Amino acid sequence: AQRVTQPEKLLSVFKGAPVELKCNYSYSGSPELFWYVQYSRQRLQLLLRHISRESIKGFTADLNKGETSFHLKKPFAQEEDSAMYYCALSGESGGSNYKLTFGKGTLLTVNP
Amino acid sequence: SAVISQKPSRDICQRGTSLTIQCQVDSQVTMMFWYRQQPGQSLTLIATANQGSEATYESGFVIDKFPISRPNLTFSTLTVSNMSPEDSSIYLCSVAGLMNTEAFFGQGTRLTVV
Repeated sequence: AQRVTQPEKLLSVFKGAPVELKCNYSYSGSPELFWYVQYSRQRLQLLLRHISRESIKGFTADLNKGETSFHLKKPFAQEEDSAMYYCALSGESGGSNYKLTFGKGTLLTVNP
Repeated sequence: SAVISQKPSRDICQRGTSLTIQCQVDSQVTMMFWYRQQPGQSLTLIATANQGSEATYESGFVIDKFPISRPNLTFSTLTVSNMSPEDSSIYLCSVAGLMNTEAFFGQGTRLTVV
């Protein structure tokens, strides 16, 4: 069975500090990993996906198959980064990246 | 990106009753999904809404409890039947199949069963 674990329910950092949101997964095949973000009073939206290897809003995430991790990082946190972050996995046969298994989420607060 | 309208945004319902949640998309999409987010929990996939045929349910979810319709490529409904307080959750519609293959989410329906 596939599973996504986000060990931190809450994470608080100061503006300008580095931030790392942890995500570990369990899946027997080759998964696709995503980070979704939900800002206050907004809908859930895609932040980035591992296959794109891109940086969005200064965030990056590297898939480490050896450690089965997909941690989200940003070198200098901004107040507008405060939000709920969800790590998600798609292990659907055929590579569909629509049917997602989510972690419980990490609420990031960036203090001024 | 897709514009998804989900109604109602919230409701308080009596136990034993049913509530139908609507999801309308502004363009034709290949796939539509329904998720549930119970308090303090992650989003859990309920089912895939299939156009013109019965929905595909995930383990732990059944059609009698969560009947789903999808009459066309832009609209779907999820009914929460014979509700109990344990059904109090946020229910989200998700769509995919657009050009960039990203999955989009509705604003969610916050359901409270009393």
